[in-house]
Amino acid sequence: DAGVIQSPRHEVTEMGQEVTLRCKLISGHNSLFWYRQTMMRGLELLIYFNNNVPIDDSGMPEDRFSAKMPNASFSTLKIQPSEPRDSAVYFCASSGEDRGFQPQHFGDGTRLSIL
Amino acid sequence: RKEVEQDPGPFNVPEGATVAFNCTYSNSASQSFFWYRQDCRKEPKLLMSVYSSGNEDGRFTAQLNRASQYISLLIRDSKLSDSATYLCVVNRGGYQKVTFGTGTKLQVIP
Repeated sequence: DAGVIQSPRHEVTEMGQEVTLRCKLISGHNSLFWYRQTMMRGLELLIYFNNNVPIDDSGMPEDRFSAKMPNASFSTLKIQPSEPRDSAVYFCASSGEDRGFQPQHFGDGTRLSIL
Repeated sequence: RKEVEQDPGPFNVPEGATVAFNCTYSNSASQSFFWYRQDCRKEPKLLMSVYSSGNEDGRFTAQLNRASQYISLLIRDSKLSDSATYLCVVNRGGYQKVTFGTGTKLQVIP
């Protein structure tokens, strides 16, 4: 079975540019999580979807960040305009709910550098 | 108080040693607990779930103490390949959403 697939693996862009990160969930999973990880702040939850519906976006830093889930298997995280402080590793994770609480499975992450 | 707290380490231990990490959580309604492992520049990976009665997986033993609100991870006979950061993960009672600790770094030295 394919795991969570994220793209791109690396992104380097200039400040002010739009950045779009992509994530494909594990087949059959219905919860999707976007995280950001930095040395200073560790792993922070940005937003969480369940059955394509955003449940909690309290971790989204500001209006420059937006996330969508256009279908059950795919999500995007967009930053517009990007700033140097957005540089981090962004992870997508998915989980299922078939038998109560299930642990999350992570993608390889996108290493984002904003110059 | 942070929702989930871990000693950041690093814990430097010789091969073959036994090492234990603790993780405290603040939400008494938390129901599910996990340990994840993260290697340098890699994604977090599930190591093991933590069950109320305690559970073991090979050299790894996880325990839960609800009264004191902490979980622990014990690694016996440490291997060089155990070197990684170990993340404690706690759910927020009734939701899929979880909180990750900042991790404890383990370095096993020859």
